[in-house]
Amino acid sequence: ILNVEQSPQSLHVQEGDSTNFTCSFPSSNFYALHWYRWETAKSPEALFVMTLNGDEKKKGRISATLNTKEGYSYLYIKGSQPEDSATYLCAFKTGGFKTIFGAGTRLFVKA
Amino acid sequence: GAGVSQSPRYKVAKRGQDVALRCDPISGHVSLFWYQQALGQGPEFLTYFQNEAQLDKSGLPSDRFFAERPEGSVSTLKIQRTQQEDSAVYLCASSSAGLVEYNEQFFGPGTRLTVL
Repeated sequence: ILNVEQSPQSLHVQEGDSTNFTCSFPSSNFYALHWYRWETAKSPEALFVMTLNGDEKKKGRISATLNTKEGYSYLYIKGSQPEDSATYLCAFKTGGFKTIFGAGTRLFVKA
Repeated sequence: GAGVSQSPRYKVAKRGQDVALRCDPISGHVSLFWYQQALGQGPEFLTYFQNEAQLDKSGLPSDRFFAERPEGSVSTLKIQRTQQEDSAVYLCASSSAGLVEYNEQFFGPGTRLTVL
């Protein structure tokens, strides 16, 4: 059974804090790792698609790194803002059509 | 352009009722996925369509679940004789042509199904 773990489950930070969370996935048969942001009452929105070991991607204050050999990815948010409050999901793709999601990290940013 | 839409947004069913959940993907998107998200968990894969062909239905939890996409655009997920354990958010996602492993998926807002 393929398992994707995310930690922590939830995180409370103050506005302006920088934060990071982890996604762990199987290190074999790796094709891609996707990160999504899911705000309450909205649709999940793609942040990054990462495919190569050592990949680093950045979008504004959010960045992500990928280590396929050891099976983890980090998502970083620099200078958190209240609008960053959301659930952050990672999704592991092996060959085929199935996407395996983690349970998400729920981020709360207090003004 | 319009994103992925799903209807209804909320559905309450009595145990034993049949329900039908609709997904309108982004126009021209070849791939369509259905997921089930139970409370406190991540979305779980149910089934995948490439155009009108259902290429993977390994995630459908029982034969009470049936999905179709007859013309390669709109898709319907049908659940027969609903049970309380079917209560969840049902998400639909679509993506464009290309390698399905690498394409980002565009999600709808989900249908929250509650079975009483």
